[in-house]
Amino acid sequence: GAGVSQSPSNKVTEKGKDVELRCDPISGHTALYWYRQRLGQGLEFLIYFQGNSAPDKSGLPSDRFSAERTGESVSTLTIQRTQQEDSAVYLCASSLVRDSTYEQYFGPGTRLTVT
Amino acid sequence: QKEVEQDPGPLSVPEGAIVSLNCTYSNSAFQYFMWYRQYSRKGPELLMYTYSSGNKEDGRFTAQVDKSSKYISLFIRDSQPSDSATYLCAVMNTGFQKLVFGTGTRLLVSP
Repeated sequence: GAGVSQSPSNKVTEKGKDVELRCDPISGHTALYWYRQRLGQGLEFLIYFQGNSAPDKSGLPSDRFSAERTGESVSTLTIQRTQQEDSAVYLCASSLVRDSTYEQYFGPGTRLTVT
Repeated sequence: QKEVEQDPGPLSVPEGAIVSLNCTYSNSAFQYFMWYRQYSRKGPELLMYTYSSGNKEDGRFTAQVDKSSKYISLFIRDSQPSDSATYLCAVMNTGFQKLVFGTGTRLLVSP
């Protein structure tokens, strides 16, 4: 079946503008995650959704960042008033949390450049 | 101190060599250990997934976890140029869904 998809693949925006990044998880996967990968660095956790539970927002770096998920489907990560330090690859992952299986499968990412 | 430490490399080896990639972690509560491979401008691809200590083998890849020393390894046998990529280790607590990643080791396998 199809993997995790993300759009757009690349986004260039001016400092101060808002951006929306989209993630379509693997069908049937109940959990969805957003990570950020800055140049030359490992992935940094941002937010986690599991079913109808309250999301774990502990990794969001500031209140300019927010995310939503509709049921167990699409998620949108929104960055308001973008700053140059927001430039990074934003990666989405999904997993089927069942029987203590926590394997996360990643999408190709959205490369965000803030000029 | 970072929760997961990983040498960024690059690690350069000739084709056919055995490659050893390693990470150390600081929190003994981590129970799940993963290795991801990431090609340039692509998303990470799950290679190996291990729960608790021990070894796991899949083809040319072997993952090893030593919880007593908080040390995880990935071995690649008969390395190929197509193995050239960045390898990321990741760890996770039971009940805490976020993965904690190392910075990744860049591997270059020359023909």
